[in-house]
Amino acid sequence: DSGVTQTPKHLITATGQRVTLRCSPRSGDLSVYWYQQSLDQGLQFLIQYYNGEERAKGNILERFSAQQFPDLHSELNLSSLELGDSALYFCASGGASGNEQFFGPGTRLTVL
Amino acid sequence: GEDVEQSLFLSVREGDSSVINCTYTDSSSTYLYWYKQEPGAGLQLLTYIFSNMDMKQDQRLTVLLNKKDKHLSLRIADTQTGDSAIYFCAEGDTGRRALTFGSGTRLQVQP
Repeated sequence: DSGVTQTPKHLITATGQRVTLRCSPRSGDLSVYWYQQSLDQGLQFLIQYYNGEERAKGNILERFSAQQFPDLHSELNLSSLELGDSALYFCASGGASGNEQFFGPGTRLTVL
Repeated sequence: GEDVEQSLFLSVREGDSSVINCTYTDSSSTYLYWYKQEPGAGLQLLTYIFSNMDMKQDQRLTVLLNKKDKHLSLRIADTQTGDSAIYFCAEGDTGRRALTFGSGTRLQVQP
């Protein structure tokens, strides 16, 4: 158990819908990273937050957004969902040094 | 841009050593990581090495880094059936905190 929690574990929805994925980092970690794992793209970095502020952006679509709250949990919002958004979405947390990233169990999103 | 390459599949017999290889392109990589993913699970950080090191050993795991050739390997001694999983190599640096992952190597351990 990495100490990073993600909810829900599974999410099934329809095209055009909007969903919110939630992540709670390990106690004491200020950074939250979001990654997408799909069969065709592999593991891709989406976005990073550090202590409530956006720190880095990767291959995140404009339909996707994220935020980190004062209690350091983070939410990833996916809107106007398409079939191709079906993937595993991982959250990772890291400390101030940034050397290590600990991954949560992931949320499996299925868009029908 | 950054790129990390791994072979897709490795099959070994229980008790043998496994060696999983990885190459990367980014010269500014500061840290190189190995993660393990079991079916239906998240990524478990196994170990990581700083780019100024050549080797790191942690129980059954040995990481070798050839910075000149940008080649990283993970050796698992006395491989067990519980080691069957997908192993991901990843690289990162102090400036770019996000990790760039390889496509993963599926390790199959035969009894």
